[in-house]
Amino acid sequence: ETGVTQTPRHLVMGMTNKKSLKCEQHLGHNAMYWYKQSAKKPLELMFVYSLEERVENNSVPSRFSPECPNSSHLFLHLHTLQPEDSALYLCASSQDLAGGLRNTQYFGPGTRLTVL
Amino acid sequence: GEDVEQSLFLSVREGDSSVINCTYTDSSSTYLYWYKQEPGAGLQLLTYIFSNMDMKQDQRLTVLLNKKDKHLSLRIADTQTGDSAIYFCAESRESNDMRFGAGTRLTVKP
Repeated sequence: ETGVTQTPRHLVMGMTNKKSLKCEQHLGHNAMYWYKQSAKKPLELMFVYSLEERVENNSVPSRFSPECPNSSHLFLHLHTLQPEDSALYLCASSQDLAGGLRNTQYFGPGTRLTVL
Repeated sequence: GEDVEQSLFLSVREGDSSVINCTYTDSSSTYLYWYKQEPGAGLQLLTYIFSNMDMKQDQRLTVLLNKKDKHLSLRIADTQTGDSAIYFCAESRESNDMRFGAGTRLTVKP
């Protein structure tokens, strides 16, 4: 157990559906991350939040919409996805972005997403 | 080129030692990490080393850092089938989030 939980663990959705992925960290951290992991690109950083503010957005399509209501929770809202969006979506948290060991990321188990 | 590079595959026999290598480009890296990812799971932090150290040992794991060549390695002694996983090298700097390699898939054959 890393202190980072993700729900659901598996999700199958159609291209017209709207769903949300949830991440919760119990570590008292102030930074949270979304990654996409697929066979084509092993670990792609999507979004970074620090103190509930988005600090990095790596050219992610608008069909992915993150939300960070507080420092313990991070959501990824999904709508009109494509089959190529099927992947493992990993959430991580770190103490903050101040550098050094404070940047050490702790990962959740991931949500396996399949888009039909 | 990529910030952190690793070979993609490594195959060893059970009981042998495994050595997974990583190179990085930024000399200002302060901490270097090894993560392990088992099938269907997230990344688990295995160990890390501060950039002013050249070696760190933790039970069967030995991390070697050659800062001059920007080369990091992870040695697993007496490799077991449970060590089969993807191993990610990562680095962090003072003012940035972490950068991960593409991962090395270790296969342990009985």
